[in-house]
Amino acid sequence: NAGVTQTPKFRILKIGQSMTLQCTQDMNHNYMYWYRQDPGMGLKLIYYSVGAGITDKGEVPNGYNVSRSTTEDFPLRLELAAPSQTSVYFCASSYKRGNTGELFFGEGSRLTVL
Amino acid sequence: AQTVTQSQPEMSVQEAETVTLSCTYDTSESDYYLFWYKQPPSRQMILVIRQEAYKQQNATENRFSVNFQKAAKSFSLKISDSQLGDAAMYFCAYRRYNNNDMRFGAGTRLTVKP
Repeated sequence: NAGVTQTPKFRILKIGQSMTLQCTQDMNHNYMYWYRQDPGMGLKLIYYSVGAGITDKGEVPNGYNVSRSTTEDFPLRLELAAPSQTSVYFCASSYKRGNTGELFFGEGSRLTVL
Repeated sequence: AQTVTQSQPEMSVQEAETVTLSCTYDTSESDYYLFWYKQPPSRQMILVIRQEAYKQQNATENRFSVNFQKAAKSFSLKISDSQLGDAAMYFCAYRRYNNNDMRFGAGTRLTVKP
């Protein structure tokens, strides 16, 4: 049972480059999320999606874009990478509102922008 | 806005002893979830325990239990019979019922001494 899968696990980018972090889940969850975790900090929400074709901004969306064409996939796009985007990125998913409330996380992707 | 505060950046416990991690949160809502997540060096976010605000009984999961004080907006985690494998970052998190955003504290790094 794979759960939430993120790729790549590590990536180094140069300033100004672009890349996409991939996320897929096999639990048929409606809700999916992208968080970033900076050193010594908790997780902050970048974007989320409540279903295919629907996305919305979280707490720190600047510099990122997302799309949700299927229930399973929720890629995060970084355009014009900046050193401030150096972080660990987590994709997560959950059931619809209510239920158990918990989020199921991927293993994280460490991104360094030099 | 809901905020989650973990006032202990680091804690240490002797193997087999008991340790309590503190968490307070700020909300005007009455229906919400509270969580403790564990993040070992592997980076994987693992759910430790969950509490629903409408339940007065404190949640327990084997060696892990919480002290939920709704009026005081406090949600501490007690780890009994600490094991070396308990060493990790622990994050307290809040999620309003029927809301998409989970808010995290900054984390507490727990060290377990043999």
